[in-house]
Amino acid sequence: QKEVEQNSGPLSVPEGAIASLNCTYSDRGSQSFFWYRQYSGKSPELIMFIYSNGDKEDGRFTAQLNKASQYVSLLIRDSQPSDSATYLCAGPYQSGAGSYQLTFGKGTKLSVIP
Amino acid sequence: EAQVTQNPRYLITVTGKKLTVTCSQNMNHEYMSWYRQDPGLGLRQIYYSMNVEVTDKGDVPEGYKVSRKEKRNFPLILESPSPNQTSLYFCASSPGPLSEQYFGPGTRLTVT
Repeated sequence: QKEVEQNSGPLSVPEGAIASLNCTYSDRGSQSFFWYRQYSGKSPELIMFIYSNGDKEDGRFTAQLNKASQYVSLLIRDSQPSDSATYLCAGPYQSGAGSYQLTFGKGTKLSVIP
Repeated sequence: EAQVTQNPRYLITVTGKKLTVTCSQNMNHEYMSWYRQDPGLGLRQIYYSMNVEVTDKGDVPEGYKVSRKEKRNFPLILESPSPNQTSLYFCASSPGPLSEQYFGPGTRLTVT
């Protein structure tokens, strides 16, 4: 069974703080995960991609993957009002020989308060 | 410019009137998908295609059809739309399922 669960929001943090977004997944075979950001009324855009255990950093964003715990997180340091958006976690699930589906979590809405 | 285009962007229709939402990408991507997004339910995959003439059901395929006759196009067909298909629809493409998805701008569909 393939499920991607995100911590329920909404999440509010003050400007300059660290925002922590979490995601768990049920398919032990999942090898990689994506974090997308979606502004209201817009399409999702990729902000991070991680496929190995540990941390991956890109500017103010750090993705963490723990395959043993089936847990992936996104940390946003020095949060800015422009980071206010819904963040979607997604992982590919192998649905057949050479065939993959991409399963998204329901998203966590982040508000950064000036 | 590399992009995924969808048409129409907005559509209001009546129950039972067949409609097609077009999706086209100019990046020579093999993998294409259709998603619907509903409040509280997130993005759910309707259909996906690994390559030309290869399509598979996603999590919510009922009431929808797709075809992939050319690599660049992946239309979504609603043969007999119903009000529960009122939603925001996104088309996406990528080099493969393990790669970044590029999303179209979305189509907001209302079925009355």
